Amino acid sequence: DAGVTQSPTHLIKTRGQHVTLRCSPISGHKSVSWYQQVLGQGPQFIFQYYEKEERGRGNFPDRFSARQFPNYSSELNVNALLLGDSALYLCASSLGPGNEQYFGPGTRLTVT
Amino acid sequence: QQQVKQSPQSLIVQKGGISIINCAYENTAFDYFPWYQQFPGKGPALLIAIRPDVSEKKEGRFTISFNKSAKQFSLHIMDSQPGDSATYFCAATSLLSGSARQLTFGSGTQLTVLP
Repeated sequence: DAGVTQSPTHLIKTRGQHVTLRCSPISGHKSVSWYQQVLGQGPQFIFQYYEKEERGRGNFPDRFSARQFPNYSSELNVNALLLGDSALYLCASSLGPGNEQYFGPGTRLTVT
Repeated sequence: QQQVKQSPQSLIVQKGGISIINCAYENTAFDYFPWYQQFPGKGPALLIAIRPDVSEKKEGRFTISFNKSAKQFSLHIMDSQPGDSATYFCAATSLLSGSARQLTFGSGTQLTVLP
């Protein structure tokens, strides 16, 4: 079975630009969560979606937004990129919002 | 705001030795405590997890010890192997809303097992 997939693998953007990251969950999983992992730190929770609805949001500014589609895939959008947004963005999927989360390989975002 | 404190930051162990990583938490709302293993360029992978009503859980060479009163838990890796060299994260989950749960991670421990 395919695991969680994320695209793109790597991305380089300039300050002030916008970025969209994509995630496809494990087949049968209906919940997707997004995490930001800055180099040398543990992942930090950004969002959780279930059945296309936001179920939780971490302490991130409104520049961060997400959505989930009818096929349970998800997008994370970040506007007005800052240098500090450079990180590995991880997507995790789970059967439901309270179940074990399985992580994808992440998208490495570099903001210059 | 770091709600799960993890130590040590790095750990070097000889092959066959025991690796011990410690975590502590303050939030009594945490109700599930997983450990993740992350290799370079990969996402975290669930290793083993424990609920607070259990004091110890063992899976193969990996054991979690949990002390609810002290709000501490630890991962023991017995007979450590070079292939165990990775970054290990402790984590804790708390309820968001309904049945949604949030994972809060520690800062990670980089384990190196020398051959």
